[in-house]
Amino acid sequence: DIQMTQSPSSVSASVGDRVTITCRASQGISSWLAWYQQKPGEAPKLLIYTASSLQSGVPSRFSGSGSGTDFTLTISSLQPEDFATYYCQQADSFPWTFGQGTKVEI
Amino acid sequence: QVLLQESGPGLVKPSQTLSLTCTVSGGSISSGGYYWSWIRQHAGKGLEWIGYIYYSGSTYYNPSLKSRVTISVDTSKDQFSLKLSSVTAADTAVYYCARGVSRGSDFWGQGTLVTVSS
Repeated sequence: DIQMTQSPSSVSASVGDRVTITCRASQGISSWLAWYQQKPGEAPKLLIYTASSLQSGVPSRFSGSGSGTDFTLTISSLQPEDFATYYCQQADSFPWTFGQGTKVEI
Repeated sequence: QVLLQESGPGLVKPSQTLSLTCTVSGGSISSGGYYWSWIRQHAGKGLEWIGYIYYSGSTYYNPSLKSRVTISVDTSKDQFSLKLSSVTAADTAVYYCARGVSRGSDFWGQGTLVTVSS
């Protein structure tokens, strides 16, 4: 299985801050990477697919980059509704695997 | 808008079989091109992908669970189901069904908590 490692595991930030989360794959996955946002008690929500494509309806303050083994999710200006846990997931090969999550908190 | 809804018992006894069904609305399972998936999340933990079924009936299971998992589909009802046998407390989790596409899972059910306890 491809192992996905996120860092940091948590980040403290304020409204308006720029936040960057990284995800590393244990082997190359081209651009087959997705990012999800999960709020407490809710299902994950797809934000970014194929590393840098914004899912329909997702605000443009979210962006993704990277290819191969190293990827980044950036929130350009943190909003109150963005406090949540973020997961990366590789979609290169089955079984799809997720990172351990990054909690963005105040 | 595609909606998915999980249903099934919230409490299962150890060694028994966990059974869940996902009902899809706003889209047809038979339309093809999607991996109808099950994913679980242990309390306070990350996400574990269990497996998928294609509308044709072909499946793929996570090797870590393969010996205990069966996923089936009923296209006439736009439903797909999960069976997990010989459950233990370690299988207590929130179970999600989701629609997978090549780039990830774009629609998810709300999730259902299944507790394994006697």
